[in-house]
Amino acid sequence: ILNVEQSPQSLHVQEGDSTNFTCSFPSSNFYALHWYRWETAKSPEALFVMTLNGDEKKKGRISATLNTKEGYSYLYIKGSQPEDSATYLCASASGGSYIPTFGRGTSLIVHP
Amino acid sequence: KAGVTQTPRYLIKTRGQQVTLSCSPISGHRSVSWYQQTPGQGLQFLFEYFSETQRNKGNFPGRFSGRQFSNSRSEMNVSTLELGDSALYLCASSLDIAGVGFFGPGTRLTVL
Repeated sequence: ILNVEQSPQSLHVQEGDSTNFTCSFPSSNFYALHWYRWETAKSPEALFVMTLNGDEKKKGRISATLNTKEGYSYLYIKGSQPEDSATYLCASASGGSYIPTFGRGTSLIVHP
Repeated sequence: KAGVTQTPRYLIKTRGQQVTLSCSPISGHRSVSWYQQTPGQGLQFLFEYFSETQRNKGNFPGRFSGRQFSNSRSEMNVSTLELGDSALYLCASSLDIAGVGFFGPGTRLTVL
């Protein structure tokens, strides 16, 4: 994988559903993986930064895991709420660069 | 603690003109990174400044330049504007190079 790829591109879920997204990134020379939440008309907000293989981070109903050997990270949201509606971005610093490369994001819409 | 501020928030220019955008980082943050977001694209890295020195540069033409002042405030300049330069320009500040970025609200540039 040469670029940072996120899937799915968009997701519609019902309030209360649990959901997850995937971020794939170059696994060589890994440095860090960042997750951001970007709500409409606001600034991207940092959720997690992970650096070690097997890292798991949690913030309220949101959690993330990291597999640096195979180059992927999962973001989980448990019991989605309408206020979780946002674009979720991941950014990987790997492949020989310390500069985070962003994926195109997963747009989540949670319907009441 | 005040967040990252960017000025102006909105800007309309015509082709061929030049523009300067400003970013004031969080107090104590010495790294400022600039990103461009266009429709359908992820955040594209422009450059990063740390202690008044450009440390990293993305794949953008020389029309895009920047600088950082001793108080860590940064400016980004785009000369000879093209229609394709219409975008949201975000800056992010962090304590260290390639650290967790705290984003500003962005400057929406429209080139007519």
